[in-house]
Amino acid sequence: DAGVTQSPTHLIKTRGQHVTLRCSPISGHKSVSWYQQVLGQGPQFIFQYYEKEERGRGNFPDRFSARQFPNYSSELNVNALLLGDSALYLCASSSPSQGPYGYTFGSGTRLTVV
Amino acid sequence: AQSVSQHNHHVILSEAASLELGCNYSYGGTVNLFWYVQYPGQHLQLLLKYFSGDPLVKGIKGFEAEFIKSKFSFNLRKPSVQWSDTAEYFCAVIAMNRDDKIIFGKGTRLHILP
Repeated sequence: DAGVTQSPTHLIKTRGQHVTLRCSPISGHKSVSWYQQVLGQGPQFIFQYYEKEERGRGNFPDRFSARQFPNYSSELNVNALLLGDSALYLCASSSPSQGPYGYTFGSGTRLTVV
Repeated sequence: AQSVSQHNHHVILSEAASLELGCNYSYGGTVNLFWYVQYPGQHLQLLLKYFSGDPLVKGIKGFEAEFIKSKFSFNLRKPSVQWSDTAEYFCAVIAMNRDDKIIFGKGTRLHILP
């Protein structure tokens, strides 16, 4: 049974560029959340999507956007990249059948902005 | 806004020593509490969780945590650590009746000396 898969695993971008990160949830999971983990910090909540609708948004600028597709996979987009966007981006999926708030995290995409 | 504080940023112990990692949260209502572990180069894994009932929660790999509501605390313990416990540990909370987002602490880096 595949876990949460994220692609790519590593990425290097230049300041000002745009990046798209992808996440495939566990089969049957309809909720996907995105987190940013800067080195030395805990993960910070960016977005949550459920049934293709945004359910929550963290304190991130409008350069960050996301969407969820009919197959429940998700994309996180970041425009006009800044050096400070360098981080590990984590995706988590969940399902009510796991019990309340049973999140499973992917291995993340490590984004480096130079 | 709710927040999570982890008391120790970096802990170094010898094998067989006892471990206690402190965690306090700020939210006056009902909470769900979690401890996650991130082994070097790996993804976040759930160690244990508290939703309701017995405040002493047992997790994987011999870890346990105690929820003390009056102290807003959820400390992680293990009676005898092993070298393989070297990892970063994150305390996290979901504030019920608010939203589904997980708020993480900044993490405690645990280093076990063989």
